[in-house]
Amino acid sequence: EVQLVQSGAEVKKPGESLKISCKGSGYSFTDYWIGWVRQMPGKGLEWMGIIYPHDSDTRYRPSFQGQVTISADKSINTAYLQWSSLRASDTAMYYCVRRYCTSTSCSFDPWGQGTLVTVSS
Amino acid sequence: QSVLTQPPSVSAAPGQKVTISCSGSSSNIGNNYVSWYQQLPGTAPKLLIYENNKRPSGIPDRFSGSKSGTSATLGITGLQTGDEADYYCGTWDSSLSAGQGVFGGGTKLTVL
Repeated sequence: EVQLVQSGAEVKKPGESLKISCKGSGYSFTDYWIGWVRQMPGKGLEWMGIIYPHDSDTRYRPSFQGQVTISADKSINTAYLQWSSLRASDTAMYYCVRRYCTSTSCSFDPWGQGTLVTVSS
Repeated sequence: QSVLTQPPSVSAAPGQKVTISCSGSSSNIGNNYVSWYQQLPGTAPKLLIYENNKRPSGIPDRFSGSKSGTSATLGITGLQTGDEADYYCGTWDSSLSAGQGVFGGGTKLTVL
């Protein structure tokens, strides 16, 4: 079964750092891009950026550039999303998702179960 | 503000049909395939439709998709209470730096 399993919920204070993870299994992890998606409370899905684990080629949505860092360790089939200094506005559910491409099209599948990040003093 | 535009909500009675629209531009829907995602309350999104109108294994044929120009539509027939969820359209956008994923703002389906 192809799946992405994310690390557990986090509660942090403003200014703290954080790194959450997304481990892939059931497929060749280095063959597919992994994206990160933010969902703020009661809101829709926002694309943050994407990484190709094979060579760690990373692209950020402009509004997230410099705010987060996306990385991957292909030796353990894991992608990461990290913050150096959290803000209350980072409180959200974060999903990782595989960009699955066939010979004709791409879609986002599967999704991780989500990691809830709460930032509060 | 989302790159793709969806109605915030739709509703219909059990057994009826509903459609959800998704509007974009030439840099996203106009030149890329559209997929649709279902997010049941308290769960992660799940792929519902890919390549504009194809259903992954396990998705009933009550769900359908179509695309025309820079717009796409999700259709759901024979509505069930279990279909109550948020639905998102998604695609790739070539205008953003090196290409990025884009989603609609989501449509909340209520089965009355």
